[in-house]
Amino acid sequence: QLQLQESGSGLVKPSQTLSLTCAVSGGSISSGGYSWSWIRQPPGKGLEWIGYIYHSGSTYYNPSLKSRVTISVDRSKNQFSLKLSSVTAADTAVYYCASYYVGLGFDIWGQGTMVTVSS
Amino acid sequence: AIQMTQSPSSLSASVGDRVTITCRASQGIRNDLGWYQQKPGKAPKLLIYAASSLQSGVPSRFSGSGSGTDFTLTISSLQPEDFATYYCLQDYNYPRTFGQGTRLEIK
Repeated sequence: QLQLQESGSGLVKPSQTLSLTCAVSGGSISSGGYSWSWIRQPPGKGLEWIGYIYHSGSTYYNPSLKSRVTISVDRSKNQFSLKLSSVTAADTAVYYCASYYVGLGFDIWGQGTMVTVSS
Repeated sequence: AIQMTQSPSSLSASVGDRVTITCRASQGIRNDLGWYQQKPGKAPKLLIYAASSLQSGVPSRFSGSGSGTDFTLTISSLQPEDFATYYCLQDYNYPRTFGQGTRLEIK
């Protein structure tokens, strides 16, 4: 059974770069039909899709964040990562990684990691 | 980006009630819509995909319908574990967009 686990810094200073990693276990990040996404949820608010990456390295980012987002994949470690630059308090949120299977949806989610932007 | 609008934003109901939540897309999305359930402090869980297909392991009291711009999620007989927040998600195109959520509370 596929499992995802986020890790990274829980506290980031304003203007710095948020960095998170999602470890994939129970399956290969190169599995056909899957893309790998980051989704965030500010406290008490709804869900915002940040972007995805395929095992090939191709990406698509939400235009609202595109200038600040980089998603990368490390097939040797079976993980993918998120970098969000120039953060502000508005980037404070629970960040989830999730797998998206074609025709199905976001079927597997990590447990989420809270990131707070504060000096 | 396609805007997804859910209604109502919150709903109070009792165990055993039949409940319907609606989701409207700002443009046609065929049947490329999913429904997710989120409980406090937990990640969302996929309930329905392709507008009306039940995800494996999800109880049959959950059902979805719709196509184009208007969609519904129905819970036929509410159980205590169903009190949560529900989100629709369009996966017709990118960027993926969620509805704002419907909070289902115990009356």
